[in-house]
Amino acid sequence: GAVVSQHPSWVICKSGTSVKIECRSLDFQATTMFWYRQFPKQSLMLMATSNEGSKATYEQGVEKDKFLINHASLTLSTLTVTSAHPEDSSFYICSASRAVGANVLTFGAGSRLTVL
Amino acid sequence: GENVEQHPSTLSVQEGDSAVIKCTYSDSASNYFPWYKQELGKRPQLIIDIRSNVGEKKDQRIAVTLNKTAKHFSLHITETQPEDSAVYFCAASSTGNQFYFGTGTSLTVIP
Repeated sequence: GAVVSQHPSWVICKSGTSVKIECRSLDFQATTMFWYRQFPKQSLMLMATSNEGSKATYEQGVEKDKFLINHASLTLSTLTVTSAHPEDSSFYICSASRAVGANVLTFGAGSRLTVL
Repeated sequence: GENVEQHPSTLSVQEGDSAVIKCTYSDSASNYFPWYKQELGKRPQLIIDIRSNVGEKKDQRIAVTLNKTAKHFSLHITETQPEDSAVYFCAASSTGNQFYFGTGTSLTVIP
């Protein structure tokens, strides 16, 4: 079956530093990857849609310069939280879709970011 | 964009009873409605889905119904078991590329 790997699973950083989270599709090529943010006991909030070889599409209210997304290949998308602050602490989850309009999403295990 | 609402936010049922979670959506173009189960600290897992050309779908103890006219869909779990305890999310998609999630329902099955 489709597997999506996300790394790191947990990262703690100091305020002002930047953190990169990787999302890899291990056994399929993901034309589209999605990044979500999830606060404790809350829903998955779509942050952006990442398409290989093109700029990410950000949801309203998500700062493009704050959350940099790069989808350099069909198996890798990265989310960089720049100049992280405590309010950026959250659970970030990626998901991948095999093809445009494929409907079925495969989720990564998530990355917990704690900013001190 | 799409707006998905989900109710209730918390649900407790006795083991063996049924659980029903309801979602509404706003975008009439949405045509795919998956349901995900998320255990604490783990990734969401797809448990069942339904497309707009179908009114009901069943998979063992889990069923989903869709009312396109009213723009709502529901998850039904029968004969609940303690391992059904988790957070359940509904979602809606029109393109298969963007999924919008409901706010989640924390289900507790009491043994």
